[in-house]
Amino acid sequence: KAGVTQTPRYLIKTRGQQVTLSCSPISGHRSVSWYQQTPGQGLQFLFEYFSETQRNKGNFPGRFSGRQFSNSRSEMNVSTLELGDSALYLCASSLAGTSGYNEQFFGPGTRLTVL
Amino acid sequence: SQQGEEDPQALSIQEGENATMNCSYKTSINNLQWYRQNSGRGLVHLILIRSNEREKHSGRLRVTLDTSKKSSSLLITASRAADTASYFCATDVKGGRRALTFGSGTRLQVQP
Repeated sequence: KAGVTQTPRYLIKTRGQQVTLSCSPISGHRSVSWYQQTPGQGLQFLFEYFSETQRNKGNFPGRFSGRQFSNSRSEMNVSTLELGDSALYLCASSLAGTSGYNEQFFGPGTRLTVL
Repeated sequence: SQQGEEDPQALSIQEGENATMNCSYKTSINNLQWYRQNSGRGLVHLILIRSNEREKHSGRLRVTLDTSKKSSSLLITASRAADTASYFCATDVKGGRRALTFGSGTRLQVQP
């Protein structure tokens, strides 16, 4: 089975721009979660999508948004970029569990640099 | 603040030695998971232990969970240079928001 893929792998943007990141989960996985990783804040949960619905959202401003398509692929968008948005953005897919959060399969990440 | 905190923050050992990392958390959990991350790449799932389990093994990995102390430990036996990575614990909080909450990680350096 192919793993989780994320595109692009690297991205450089300037303040005020917007960016869209893409994630393709493992075939059969319907849950997709996004995380932001920075040296200062560590790994922080952004949101989770399941069956095209946002099931949960972390403590991030409204500039961060996402969506999931019928084939479970997901995108996240960050508008009006700030320097502090520079981070590694990780996508993870899993088999949706009814109780508890299952093993997450992570993609390689997208390294976003905001200048 | 982080739900899980790893200890130590950094650990340097020689090949063949054992490495032990600890994780403490604050609230009741459904399960606790350990992940490995190599140098700014994606995370790799190592092991999941449920709240009603006390110990789990996977190859050279041994994880223990003490829910009364809200702590877990990861033991890597006979470490190899390839084990050099950052290790994170992640908790699935019971009754809370559906999300994995990650700790700050332990950076393990295994010297050949």
